[in-house]
Amino acid sequence: AQKVTQAQTEISVVEKEDVTLDCVYETRDTTYYLFWYKQPPSGELVFLIRRNSFDEQNEISGRYSWNFQKSTSSFNFTITASQVVDSAVYFCALSEAVGQAGTALIFGKGTTLSVSS
Amino acid sequence: DGGITQSPKYLFRKEGQNVTLSCEQNLNHDAMYWYRQDPGQGLRLIYYSQIVNDFQKGDIAEGYSVSREKKESFPLTVTSAQKNPTAFYLCASSMYGLNTEAFFGQGTRLTVV
Repeated sequence: AQKVTQAQTEISVVEKEDVTLDCVYETRDTTYYLFWYKQPPSGELVFLIRRNSFDEQNEISGRYSWNFQKSTSSFNFTITASQVVDSAVYFCALSEAVGQAGTALIFGKGTTLSVSS
Repeated sequence: DGGITQSPKYLFRKEGQNVTLSCEQNLNHDAMYWYRQDPGQGLRLIYYSQIVNDFQKGDIAEGYSVSREKKESFPLTVTSAQKNPTAFYLCASSMYGLNTEAFFGQGTRLTVV
């Protein structure tokens, strides 16, 4: 069965610290997609990034970077020089096929990041 | 603006009542989903629909029902059979395909009183 594990329940850092959020996944599929979402206090999930199973290049977007390693089934997310506005719950997700032709996301339990000033 | 609208934002239900949560999207997405979020549990899939007039149970469908009469709308009814309905409910939509991200509404917080 497919599964996403985010072992860190809560992380607290001080502004300007770097922080890495871990994500480990399990799947038997050879083609799959991984996602990261941010959930601020308002509640709506905001899409951050998508990565397919054939592309192991790391990606950087401003202060955000992602490290995908198939060998360890991990897709970790690093925030450099964290800011108070980064405080949120972060979810890692895996896309799975459902039904005859559909897809749905399987989510980890999320990591709550608190950044203090 | 394109997006997903959930209403109401807060909902209170008495025990034994059915309540319906609204979800509307104007993104022209074929697929729509309902997820339930409990503290420390992540998001769990309740129901999903890939096309109008068709929907499938997710991992925790017991005590819930849905309909998909229009492409834009996917309402969720929380029935009296749902033993622990207090939770945060999120609706989402997406295009087809494993590689498509889902777009989420702002959620409905349901509390049983």
